[in-house]
Amino acid sequence: EIVLTQSPGTLSLSPGDRATLSCRASQSLSSSSLAWYQQKPGQAPRLLIYGASSRATGIPDRFSGSGSGTDFTLTISGLEPEDYAVYYCQQYGSSPVTFGGGTKVEIK
Amino acid sequence: EVQLVESGGGLVQPGGSLRLSCAASGFTLSTYWMHWVRQAPGKGLVWVSHINRDESSATYADSVKGRFTISRDNAKNTVYLQMNSLRVEDTAVYYCTRGPGGYYYDWGQGTQVTVSS
Repeated sequence: EIVLTQSPGTLSLSPGDRATLSCRASQSLSSSSLAWYQQKPGQAPRLLIYGASSRATGIPDRFSGSGSGTDFTLTISGLEPEDYAVYYCQQYGSSPVTFGGGTKVEIK
Repeated sequence: EVQLVESGGGLVQPGGSLRLSCAASGFTLSTYWMHWVRQAPGKGLVWVSHINRDESSATYADSVKGRFTISRDNAKNTVYLQMNSLRVEDTAVYYCTRGPGGYYYDWGQGTQVTVSS
């Protein structure tokens, strides 16, 4: 099973700041099979990024994904008030599908 | 508009059973693999099970194998998760999801399952 380690656990930033979230896999991911989700309290997760760098429909371009192999990054170029949430990475190239433990982006 | 609506959750004693349902609308269910993902209170996301388009193949997380059964009725646009021999550690919000690949494009609102004596 591929283990995904997300860092940092919590990111305290001000509106307008740039957020950089990391996701490291215990093995190289095939075909950049990594996705990112955003989850707000009491809500279901929302797909942001798939294929490591492709934005899902309707996702603002301030969200971008990059990386390959074992190291992946989600960048939010300028935090909006609605971006404060928990973010999860997920690998789907190897069975079973696994998720990282999450990074909470909170208001500084 | 794609909608996934879960139901069937509730409070059950350890060793008990529940059957979750996921009513799908806005798309042709038979063309998608379907999945269940759960989230324990204050914890992260964990994949539970998936089923292929024609119900010929289903896969389970080790933690639920032998206790949970996923099924689908494409004519009724519904996916099910039969959960037997429930344990306290199965307490979670259970989400029904779908996606074109191994990632999940659409999620239901979730249904709460609480296993407690």
